[in-house]
Parts: sequence; structure tokens; C-alpha cells
Amino acid sequence: DGGITQSPKYLFRKEGQNVTLSCEQNLNHDAMYWYRQDPGQGLRLIYYSQIVNDFQKGDIAEGYSVSREKKESFPLTVTSAQKNPTAFYLCASSIRRQAEQFFGPGTRLTVL
Amino acid sequence: RKEVEQDPGPFNVPEGATVAFNCTYSNSASQSFFWYRQDCRKEPKLLMSVYSSGNEDGRFTAQLNRASQYISLLIRDSKLSDSATYLCVGLQGNDMRFGAGTRLTVKP
Repeated sequence: DGGITQSPKYLFRKEGQNVTLSCEQNLNHDAMYWYRQDPGQGLRLIYYSQIVNDFQKGDIAEGYSVSREKKESFPLTVTSAQKNPTAFYLCASSIRRQAEQFFGPGTRLTVL
Repeated sequence: RKEVEQDPGPFNVPEGATVAFNCTYSNSASQSFFWYRQDCRKEPKLLMSVYSSGNEDGRFTAQLNRASQYISLLIRDSKLSDSATYLCVGLQGNDMRFGAGTRLTVKP
């Protein structure tokens, strides 16, 4: 089965801790994305990557970091510098930057 | 002004009804549009792509009006399973811009 997987599904973090959210795809897509969704708001772009070893900041990159060492993987680290990290995090991929995006099941992060 | 705006709803309709949502966009250079469906606490799933004047898939019809800068989604013969939030997405340059979604509840 081709698709996008994210783990964990739920994540709890204490203030001051860094956490890493996993995103893997086997669709052979070049582009990958991380979004954050808050209640009543549209998805906001955190980071995106068009190719291995390259990534760019989105609209709300502060307090987040990413890496793209493999085509299939695009992990997101939520650092302690992110002031309000509790949210639903969605990873997506597309065959190229301007094409339809397909989403993973998401990770719900709660800061305690 | 938000780049992509939607009426948040909720739209409450009886089963079998026809319902339409509108989505307005501010950037006239937007090239293409998409409708996604998102169930509660789940990921968005692609419903339809709208590249030119419109698109139809079964009970769903999407239309694009470039002069007035809006796209619409029409659902005919609503089913209970159509209850979800519908996200409008516009491609502006290289970036996808998401609306906040319109919530639909179909009641028996």
C-alpha cells in the first residue's frame, strides 16, 4: 500500500522539551510539507522540502526544525522555543511543488 | 484579508438536499484550486481538483468563477456520510493556501 505515515498519533510533552514527529512516504513524491492546524483556522505551513537535503521555511517556521536526508522521510522537531506548540500537526507530500498534496493521519501534540 | 475565505457554517441540511459552499480568493493570479474533505480529528482528503472552469464527479460539482474570484462546491442528494468539514485550497505561485473550512452536517 502506498501512502504517508506519521507517528506517534498522540504526543504529550512537558514544557522545555524538544520532540520529534515522524513522517514517512512511499509514494515516490519529491515534495514534502509540514502544516499545523489549530481549531477554527486553516492549515498553516511550517516547512517544506522539494528535494533531498533541501528545505525552506514556511509561514510559521519559528520554533521548529526539519531535515530531509532521505526522499521518503521528513521529520519535524518542535523545539522549546515554540511558545504555543499544542496543535494538530499534518505532514503532506506531492509529486512536485504545485501538485495536489496528500496528507498523513496527523500527530496531535499536547504540551502539559 | 485572508487569501482564501470560506463561510465557516455550520450548514445543517436534511438527507437528500442540495447544498452549495462558496470560497473566495484574493490573489487573482491563483492558478488552480482544490476541495478537500476533513472528518473530525482526521487528515484532509482530496475531493476534487479545479483547474479550469469546473469539474464534476458524481454528486459533486466544483465551479470556478475567475471574474468574481470564487469557487463553489455543489453537493447533490446529500448523504449522511457527507457530514464533514470541506476545505477550499488555492494554489498561489508555488504555495497552497488553505481556507479554514466549511462544516456540513447532513441529518436524517
